[in-house]
Amino acid sequence: KNQVEQSPQSLIILEGKNCTLQCNYTVSPFSNLRWYKQDTGRGPVSLTIMTFSENTKSNGRYTATLDADTKQSSLHITASQLSDSASYICVVRGGYNFNKFYFGSGTKLNVKP
Amino acid sequence: GAVVSQHPSRVICKSGTSVKIECRSLDFQATTMFWYRQFPKQSLMLMATSNEGSKATYEQGVEKDKFLINHASLTLSTLTVTSAHPEDSSFYICSASLGLNNEQFFGPGTRLTVL
Repeated sequence: KNQVEQSPQSLIILEGKNCTLQCNYTVSPFSNLRWYKQDTGRGPVSLTIMTFSENTKSNGRYTATLDADTKQSSLHITASQLSDSASYICVVRGGYNFNKFYFGSGTKLNVKP
Repeated sequence: GAVVSQHPSRVICKSGTSVKIECRSLDFQATTMFWYRQFPKQSLMLMATSNEGSKATYEQGVEKDKFLINHASLTLSTLTVTSAHPEDSSFYICSASLGLNNEQFFGPGTRLTVL
């Protein structure tokens, strides 16, 4: 069964600290993996996209990694800011015909001053 | 990235009434639009996929007669919640794409509250 699981479910960190969010998936065949940031009451915004051949990709203070062999991805946030407080959603595209999107349940990050 | 808008951003209605939500791609032509529903503290759940000019494809468990989707143009899709009930209260989000195999750009969402 094609699934995407994220951990932790929620996370509280102090401003300025780093954190890492995890995403494990069983989607096969695999096309790509995206990390989205969703502010409360808003639609998701894409942070990074990882394809099969990419191991690491950065977008400012956000760095995503992908291990296609173990089917794991992580999103590392450096020097967190209060505005990083949001839900982070991992979405894997793939499955039959490579045209389905599988959503993780998200990690709720709360950055405190 | 591309911009997708939704209207209204929030709506409160009485039970039994119908509510229409619009999703527009502002700077690109979206051949495919997706409609999602998100309950509190849960992730997005795909309701249906619509391609311009054809009938929408609904996910299992989503009533097509209750959630009417129209994708009449390359920049506009509408979701109508017919005979809304309190259990339909949710956050509805659309996304637009150049095609099934392309990136999705999400709208800001519509908060529906049915009294």
